[in-house]
Amino acid sequence: KQEVTQIPAALSVPEGENLVLNCSFTDSAIYNLQWFRQDPGKGLTSLLLIQSSQREQTSGRLNASLDKSSGRSTLYIAASQPGDSATYLCAVLTGNQFYFGTGTSLTVIP
Amino acid sequence: SAVISQKPSRDICQRGTSLTIQCQVDSQVTMMFWYRQQPGQSLTLIATANQGSEATYESGFVIDKFPISRPNLTFSTLTVSNMSPEDSSIYLCSVAIYYNEQFFGPGTRLTVL
Repeated sequence: KQEVTQIPAALSVPEGENLVLNCSFTDSAIYNLQWFRQDPGKGLTSLLLIQSSQREQTSGRLNASLDKSSGRSTLYIAASQPGDSATYLCAVLTGNQFYFGTGTSLTVIP
Repeated sequence: SAVISQKPSRDICQRGTSLTIQCQVDSQVTMMFWYRQQPGQSLTLIATANQGSEATYESGFVIDKFPISRPNLTFSTLTVSNMSPEDSSIYLCSVAIYYNEQFFGPGTRLTVL
């Protein structure tokens, strides 16, 4: 069964810093990987989708990479802002099911 | 992308009662899912809502407790039956087109007293 891990569980950085969030998965036979943002008590907002044939995707200050063979993805956030404070989750599609990581809670300190 | 709405956004219910949550999408989608997110935890898939047929439930979830309807390609309901405090969670509806990118609704925050 696919297992998705996100490290660290929590991260606190000063405003303006560049940072990297990690996502690992045990089964490399994935169709895609998706990064989400979740604000407290809210639903999930899709940030980036990487198909299994792709290596990276970029949207504004966000860049996500995928190394399927090693079972890893990273989300790079450039020039972090207090508004980036949220929980970030990754999810992989394996077979016909989406598997979610436990999330990284990010706090950007002004 | 898809715009998803859920009703109610939150509710406080008494033990033993039932609550029906509605999920409406602004376009026709192939896949609709219902998730539960307990406090401080990640998402757990309850079931896949199938149009015109019975939902497909994940291990640990049963139809008697979580009946689901999906009468068409843009609407689904999830009922949480005979509620107990352990059912207090955020319930999330999501959609995808042919198992591709997922989009989520804003969630329903349920508190059971």
